[in-house]
Amino acid sequence: EAEVAQSPRYKITEKSQAVAFWCDPISGHATLYWYRQILGQGPELLVQFQDESVVDDSQLPKDRFSAERLKGVDSTLKIQPAELGDSAMYLCASSLYLAGAADTQYFGPGTRLTVL
Amino acid sequence: KQEVTQIPAALSVPEGENLVLNCSFTDSAIYNLQWFRQDPGKGLTSLLLIQSSQREQTSGRLNASLDKSSGRSTLYIAASQPGDSATYLCAVTSGSRLTFGEGTQLTVNP
Repeated sequence: EAEVAQSPRYKITEKSQAVAFWCDPISGHATLYWYRQILGQGPELLVQFQDESVVDDSQLPKDRFSAERLKGVDSTLKIQPAELGDSAMYLCASSLYLAGAADTQYFGPGTRLTVL
Repeated sequence: KQEVTQIPAALSVPEGENLVLNCSFTDSAIYNLQWFRQDPGKGLTSLLLIQSSQREQTSGRLNASLDKSSGRSTLYIAASQPGDSATYLCAVTSGSRLTFGEGTQLTVNP
């Protein structure tokens, strides 16, 4: 069964360093999402791509976060510089179409970031 | 802004018990509602998706209902098993965005 792949699974970094996460969605899925999940809370959308275009990045802290999906397939989320409050699980998801009436989002295993 | 609330935050039951998890949302203009399962330190697995025009969906021992007009959904788990222990998240799709609740942490004791 096709799955969303993410790497690394775990990342420990020091404050002010740069970190990057990678996501490979299910083949053929046009829409890709990055979520941040703080321990004990539900995931919160950071950015949403339709193919290579950003559909929604209203909750992405653009002073330090950036995301790209250059060829409309895999995606990279970057944080520079990392802050203590960025410690969280970063989840990637993909869906065949834009979120809507009949679409399910499939989630990857996540990257657990710890900022020291 | 859509807000999703889940009650209770945590639930501990003995094996074999039937249980209900609750979800409420503030904006009834939704496309669908999903229930997800999350094991500790892992990603999310979709359990059930209910379209806005539907009242319920069933999969095995799971049954989810939706009352869009009152902004409520329930997830019913029959004959609970220790393997059901996980966090259950409710999420609604409105516009192009999925909004999650904070989850209910379920523990089923042998």
